[in-house]
Amino acid sequence: DIVMTQSPDSLAVSLGERATINCKSSQSVLYSSNNKNYLSWYQQKPGQPPKLLIYWASTRESGVPDRFSGSGTGTDFTLTISSLQAEDVAAYYCQQYYSTPRTFGQGTKVEIK
Amino acid sequence: QVQLQESGPGLVKPSGTLSLTCAVSGGPISSSNWWSWVRQSPGKGLEWIGEIYHSGSTNYNPSLKSRVTISVDKSKNQFSLKVSSVTAADTAVYYCARGRDWGYGDVRFDYWGQGTLVTVSS
Repeated sequence: DIVMTQSPDSLAVSLGERATINCKSSQSVLYSSNNKNYLSWYQQKPGQPPKLLIYWASTRESGVPDRFSGSGTGTDFTLTISSLQAEDVAAYYCQQYYSTPRTFGQGTKVEIK
Repeated sequence: QVQLQESGPGLVKPSGTLSLTCAVSGGPISSSNWWSWVRQSPGKGLEWIGEIYHSGSTNYNPSLKSRVTISVDKSKNQFSLKVSSVTAADTAVYYCARGRDWGYGDVRFDYWGQGTLVTVSS
């Protein structure tokens, strides 16, 4: 299994400031046939299902605000919220879909400082 | 717009079998998608249980494989989950999700059900 490890487990950021979440996979999720990283980021608000934010490590899903961005390749990835808004308070999960079992990071809770 | 809706008993006795169904609307289940079950224990993270293609092909999480069966009913446009020999550790919110298959094994979850809480207790 590919183990996904996120850091930190939680972080508090002031409104308008930058939030950065890291995700590390135990093996590369770069698919050589198309040079795509099979890494997604999800946002989950309390009482709601996860929502796809980013796929291919850096491509925003349709309708996702451009303050959300993803970067990284291979085994190290980052989700950045450039200017935190109140509605961004949530848990964020990275997930690899390079192989089964599909695995998630343990999650990072983002709060307002 | 694709919608998924989980249904099933909210309470299951220990050693019993958990059974859930996910009804798919807004599109045929017989399309290029993998249909997954994901669970989330109270206050915890997300755990992928397994998935099924409309052809009946399945992939399961090895940690649960011996107790899990996922099936599809194309006539009803739905798929189902069974988990046998449940314990309190199986108490969780269970989500169904669509894994759109974009080719080259590119399968990402783009639609989710709202989730249903299943409690294992006597």
